[in-house]
Amino acid sequence: SQQGEEDPQALSIQEGENATMNCSYKTSINNLQWYRQNSGRGLVHLILIRSNEREKHSGRLRVTLDTSKKSSSLLITASRAADTASYFCATAPFGNEKLTFGTGTRLTIIP
Amino acid sequence: EPEVTQTPSHQVTQMGQEVILRCVPISNHLYFYWYRQILGQKVEFLVSFYNNEISEKSEIFDDQFSVERPDGSNFTLKIRSTKLEDSAMYFCASVWNGDGTVAFFGQGTRLTVV
Repeated sequence: SQQGEEDPQALSIQEGENATMNCSYKTSINNLQWYRQNSGRGLVHLILIRSNEREKHSGRLRVTLDTSKKSSSLLITASRAADTASYFCATAPFGNEKLTFGTGTRLTIIP
Repeated sequence: EPEVTQTPSHQVTQMGQEVILRCVPISNHLYFYWYRQILGQKVEFLVSFYNNEISEKSEIFDDQFSVERPDGSNFTLKIRSTKLEDSAMYFCASVWNGDGTVAFFGQGTRLTVV
């Protein structure tokens, strides 16, 4: 798999349900970040988790990181129509802030 | 809240023409980046810039590309002779320091080469 590969590629759920997206990566990282992109728009930073952290919360977002499996998950609870967007994970190596992005998950919330 | 701004939001250019994409990073940030996203594909790193010089560049960033920070506030990406395959969304990003901090992205410039 590629560095930073999300699954599923697309996810449709009913409003109010929880959405879980997964990301796998290949190399050692300093941190992993999740971004949201509304169609044709810019990248909005959601949350950063460092390599020595296992879980982090921000509002309705919960991110986990398992460095032994080189994987992360993003959970959005109580989804809303406004959460409809593409979600990307991005990894940063030590000593370098260059981000390597995953392929993204296209999330659709059905009202 | 401080933000990264990019201009123009959309540019259409003829193949072979030069384009300059402009970015104003967040003022106290030290590291600057350009990324691009071809429609429907992943975001790809182009180049990083620190201390007034390129610190890293990708294979995509060939001799047709150049970056500059001409006046301490603007950060530009120049494509010397555009090709059809340069059509993409180009994102500028800035980072405060190099210790695992958040990258702030601009809204992007959609470049269409015809």
